[in-house]
Amino acid sequence: NAGVTQTPKFQVLKTGQSMTLQCAQDMNHNSMYWYRQDPGMGLRLIYYSASEGTTDKGEVPNGYNVSRLNKREFSLRLESAAPSQTSVYFCASRGQEASPLHFGNGTRLTVT
Amino acid sequence: GDSVTQMEGPVTLSEEAFLTINCTYTATGYPSLFWYVQYPGEGLQLLLKATKADDKGSNKGFEATYRKETTSFHLEKGSVQVSDSAVYFCALRVNFGNEKLTFGTGTRLTIIP
Repeated sequence: NAGVTQTPKFQVLKTGQSMTLQCAQDMNHNSMYWYRQDPGMGLRLIYYSASEGTTDKGEVPNGYNVSRLNKREFSLRLESAAPSQTSVYFCASRGQEASPLHFGNGTRLTVT
Repeated sequence: GDSVTQMEGPVTLSEEAFLTINCTYTATGYPSLFWYVQYPGEGLQLLLKATKADDKGSNKGFEATYRKETTSFHLEKGSVQVSDSAVYFCALRVNFGNEKLTFGTGTRLTIIP
Protein backbone atom coordinates (compact mmCIF):
# COMPACT_ATOMS: atom_id res chain seq x y z
CA ASN A 1 0.00 0.00 0.00
CA ALA A 2 2.69 2.54 -0.93
CA GLY A 3 0.34 4.96 -2.73
CA VAL A 4 2.24 8.13 -3.67
CA THR A 5 5.92 8.20 -2.70
CA GLN A 6 7.98 11.38 -2.71
CA THR A 7 11.72 11.77 -2.28
CA PRO A 8 13.51 13.39 -0.61
CA LYS A 9 11.57 14.31 2.53
CA PHE A 10 13.78 17.28 3.33
CA GLN A 11 16.25 19.32 1.29
CA VAL A 12 18.27 22.47 1.82
CA LEU A 13 19.64 24.27 -1.24
CA LYS A 14 21.66 27.38 -1.79
CA THR A 15 20.38 30.04 -4.18
CA GLY A 16 21.18 29.04 -7.75
CA GLN A 17 21.52 25.31 -7.12
CA SER A 18 19.37 22.84 -9.00
CA MET A 19 17.54 19.74 -7.89
CA THR A 20 14.82 17.31 -8.89
CA LEU A 21 11.98 16.20 -6.66
CA GLN A 22 10.86 12.67 -7.41
CA CYS A 23 7.34 11.29 -7.24
CA ALA A 24 6.04 7.81 -8.01
CA GLN A 25 2.60 6.23 -7.63
CA ASP A 26 1.66 2.58 -7.76
CA MET A 27 -2.09 2.96 -8.25
CA ASN A 28 -2.05 3.01 -12.05
CA HIS A 29 -3.43 6.56 -12.00
CA ASN A 30 -3.52 8.59 -15.18
CA SER A 31 -3.24 12.08 -13.71
CA MET A 32 -0.42 13.42 -11.55
CA TYR A 33 0.11 16.83 -9.96
CA TRP A 34 2.66 18.99 -8.20
CA TYR A 35 1.48 21.48 -5.57
CA ARG A 36 3.30 23.82 -3.25
CA GLN A 37 1.99 24.66 0.21
CA ASP A 38 2.79 27.99 1.79
CA PRO A 39 1.46 29.47 5.04
CA GLY A 40 -1.76 31.42 4.56
CA MET A 41 -1.99 30.45 0.89
CA GLY A 42 -3.20 26.87 0.91
CA LEU A 43 -2.06 24.63 -1.91
CA ARG A 44 -1.26 26.05 -5.32
CA LEU A 45 -0.90 23.95 -8.44
CA ILE A 46 2.49 24.16 -10.13
CA TYR A 47 2.15 21.66 -12.99
CA TYR A 48 0.03 18.67 -13.78
CA SER A 49 0.00 15.76 -16.18
CA ALA A 50 -3.39 14.49 -17.29
CA SER A 51 -1.88 11.41 -18.87
CA GLU A 52 1.45 9.86 -19.74
CA GLY A 53 3.23 12.05 -22.26
CA THR A 54 1.39 15.29 -21.47
CA THR A 55 2.11 18.12 -19.05
CA ASP A 56 0.41 21.45 -18.43
CA LYS A 57 1.05 24.55 -16.38
CA GLY A 58 -0.90 25.27 -13.23
CA GLU A 59 -1.19 28.52 -11.28
CA VAL A 60 2.48 29.01 -10.36
CA PRO A 61 4.74 27.30 -12.95
CA ASN A 62 7.52 29.89 -13.16
CA GLY A 63 10.91 28.58 -12.06
CA TYR A 64 9.91 24.93 -12.42
CA ASN A 65 9.96 22.21 -15.04
CA VAL A 66 8.38 18.78 -14.97
CA SER A 67 8.81 15.42 -16.65
CA ARG A 68 6.24 12.65 -16.87
CA LEU A 69 8.78 9.90 -17.26
CA ASN A 70 6.20 7.11 -17.51
CA LYS A 71 2.77 6.42 -16.06
CA ARG A 72 4.18 5.95 -12.56
CA GLU A 73 6.63 8.81 -12.24
CA PHE A 74 6.32 12.59 -12.36
CA SER A 75 9.33 14.69 -11.40
CA LEU A 76 9.65 18.38 -10.59
CA ARG A 77 12.87 20.22 -11.36
CA LEU A 78 14.19 23.50 -10.03
CA GLU A 79 16.91 24.65 -12.41
CA SER A 80 18.11 27.60 -10.34
CA ALA A 81 16.60 27.66 -6.88
CA ALA A 82 15.48 30.94 -5.30
CA PRO A 83 14.50 31.72 -1.68
CA SER A 84 10.91 32.29 -2.90
CA GLN A 85 10.79 28.57 -3.69
CA THR A 86 11.15 27.66 -0.03
CA SER A 87 8.00 25.66 0.54
CA VAL A 88 6.52 22.24 1.13
CA TYR A 89 5.95 20.41 -2.14
CA PHE A 90 3.27 17.78 -2.55
CA CYS A 91 2.82 15.33 -5.36
CA ALA A 92 -0.64 13.88 -5.95
CA SER A 93 -2.30 11.48 -8.34
CA ARG A 94 -5.82 10.72 -9.44
CA GLY A 95 -7.44 7.86 -11.27
CA GLN A 96 -10.78 8.33 -12.92
CA GLU A 97 -12.53 11.60 -13.62
CA ALA A 98 -14.55 11.91 -10.43
CA SER A 99 -12.13 10.28 -8.00
CA PRO A 100 -10.27 12.18 -5.28
CA LEU A 101 -6.60 13.12 -5.20
CA HIS A 102 -4.11 10.90 -3.38
CA PHE A 103 -1.22 12.85 -1.87
CA GLY A 104 2.33 11.98 -0.96
CA ASN A 105 3.78 13.04 2.38
CA GLY A 106 5.57 16.06 0.99
CA THR A 107 9.08 17.40 0.51
CA ARG A 108 10.14 20.30 2.71
CA LEU A 109 12.52 22.47 0.70
CA THR A 110 14.52 25.38 2.11
CA VAL A 111 16.48 27.68 -0.19
CA THR A 112 19.01 29.92 1.55
CA GLY B 1 -12.23 32.53 -11.58
CA ASP B 2 -12.94 29.74 -9.15
CA SER B 3 -12.10 30.36 -5.51
CA VAL B 4 -12.63 28.98 -2.03
CA THR B 5 -12.82 31.06 1.12
CA GLN B 6 -12.29 29.34 4.43
CA MET B 7 -12.67 30.35 8.02
CA GLU B 8 -9.46 31.86 9.33
CA GLY B 9 -7.65 29.86 11.95
CA PRO B 10 -6.27 28.72 14.17
CA VAL B 11 -9.24 27.22 15.98
CA THR B 12 -8.82 25.79 19.47
CA LEU B 13 -11.58 23.77 21.11
CA SER B 14 -11.99 21.57 24.14
CA GLU B 15 -12.61 17.88 23.68
CA GLU B 16 -16.28 17.02 23.02
CA ALA B 17 -17.06 20.53 21.80
CA PHE B 18 -19.08 21.16 18.62
CA LEU B 19 -17.05 22.12 15.57
CA THR B 20 -17.94 24.25 12.58
CA ILE B 21 -15.42 25.34 9.97
CA ASN B 22 -16.97 27.65 7.39
CA CYS B 23 -16.30 27.34 3.69
CA THR B 24 -17.82 29.33 0.84
CA TYR B 25 -17.00 29.17 -2.84
CA THR B 26 -17.34 30.89 -6.18
CA ALA B 27 -17.29 28.84 -9.35
CA THR B 28 -18.14 29.34 -12.99
CA GLY B 29 -19.48 25.83 -13.53
CA TYR B 30 -21.01 23.06 -11.45
CA PRO B 31 -18.37 22.18 -8.88
CA SER B 32 -17.74 19.13 -6.79
CA LEU B 33 -16.78 20.08 -3.24
CA PHE B 34 -14.29 18.42 -0.93
CA TRP B 35 -12.85 18.56 2.54
CA TYR B 36 -9.29 17.34 2.92
CA VAL B 37 -7.46 16.83 6.23
CA GLN B 38 -3.73 17.06 6.84
CA TYR B 39 -2.31 15.47 9.98
CA PRO B 40 1.13 16.62 11.19
CA GLY B 41 3.94 15.51 8.91
CA GLU B 42 1.63 13.94 6.36
CA GLY B 43 0.05 14.72 3.03
CA LEU B 44 -3.58 15.63 2.57
CA GLN B 45 -6.25 12.95 2.77
CA LEU B 46 -9.77 13.17 1.48
CA LEU B 47 -12.17 13.49 4.41
CA LEU B 48 -15.48 13.80 2.56
CA LYS B 49 -17.00 15.08 -0.65
CA ALA B 50 -20.25 16.11 -2.30
CA THR B 51 -20.80 16.24 -6.03
CA LYS B 52 -24.13 18.03 -6.38
CA ALA B 53 -26.43 20.45 -4.60
CA ASP B 54 -28.02 19.19 -1.36
CA ASP B 55 -25.66 16.22 -1.16
CA LYS B 56 -24.27 15.56 2.30
CA GLY B 57 -20.78 14.14 2.63
CA SER B 58 -19.88 12.36 5.85
CA ASN B 59 -16.94 10.46 7.31
CA LYS B 60 -15.47 9.84 10.79
CA GLY B 61 -18.28 11.84 12.43
CA PHE B 62 -17.70 14.87 10.18
CA GLU B 63 -20.42 16.16 7.89
CA ALA B 64 -20.80 18.85 5.25
CA THR B 65 -23.80 19.73 3.09
CA TYR B 66 -23.48 21.22 -0.39
CA ARG B 67 -25.65 24.37 -0.28
CA LYS B 68 -25.96 25.88 -3.72
CA GLU B 69 -28.21 28.73 -2.56
CA THR B 70 -25.56 30.01 -0.13
CA THR B 71 -22.55 28.63 -2.08
CA SER B 72 -21.33 27.00 1.10
CA PHE B 73 -19.92 23.67 2.29
CA HIS B 74 -19.39 24.08 6.03
CA LEU B 75 -17.68 21.27 7.94
CA GLU B 76 -19.28 20.15 11.21
CA LYS B 77 -18.68 17.60 13.91
CA GLY B 78 -20.80 17.12 16.99
CA SER B 79 -18.09 16.09 19.46
CA VAL B 80 -14.44 16.57 18.60
CA GLN B 81 -11.56 14.48 19.90
CA VAL B 82 -7.89 15.24 20.45
CA SER B 83 -7.12 13.03 17.44
CA ASP B 84 -9.06 15.49 15.21
CA SER B 85 -6.28 18.06 15.62
CA ALA B 86 -5.10 18.76 12.08
CA VAL B 87 -5.32 21.27 9.25
CA TYR B 88 -8.54 21.16 7.25
CA PHE B 89 -8.79 22.30 3.63
CA CYS B 90 -11.93 23.01 1.67
CA ALA B 91 -11.58 22.53 -2.08
CA LEU B 92 -13.59 22.54 -5.28
CA ARG B 93 -13.27 21.15 -8.76
CA VAL B 94 -15.43 22.27 -11.61
CA ASN B 95 -16.62 19.21 -13.47
CA PHE B 96 -16.54 18.34 -17.14
CA GLY B 97 -12.90 17.50 -17.56
CA ASN B 98 -11.32 20.27 -15.49
CA GLU B 99 -8.16 18.88 -13.93
CA LYS B 100 -7.63 21.68 -11.48
CA LEU B 101 -8.55 21.40 -7.80
CA THR B 102 -8.82 24.81 -6.10
CA PHE B 103 -8.00 24.83 -2.39
CA GLY B 104 -8.82 27.18 0.43
CA THR B 105 -6.05 28.42 2.68
CA GLY B 106 -6.60 25.78 5.36
CA THR B 107 -7.81 25.98 8.96
CA ARG B 108 -5.63 24.66 11.75
CA LEU B 109 -7.68 22.93 14.44
CA THR B 110 -6.30 22.10 17.86
CA ILE B 111 -8.33 20.10 20.37
CA ILE B 112 -7.28 20.28 24.00
CA PRO B 113 -8.16 17.54 26.49
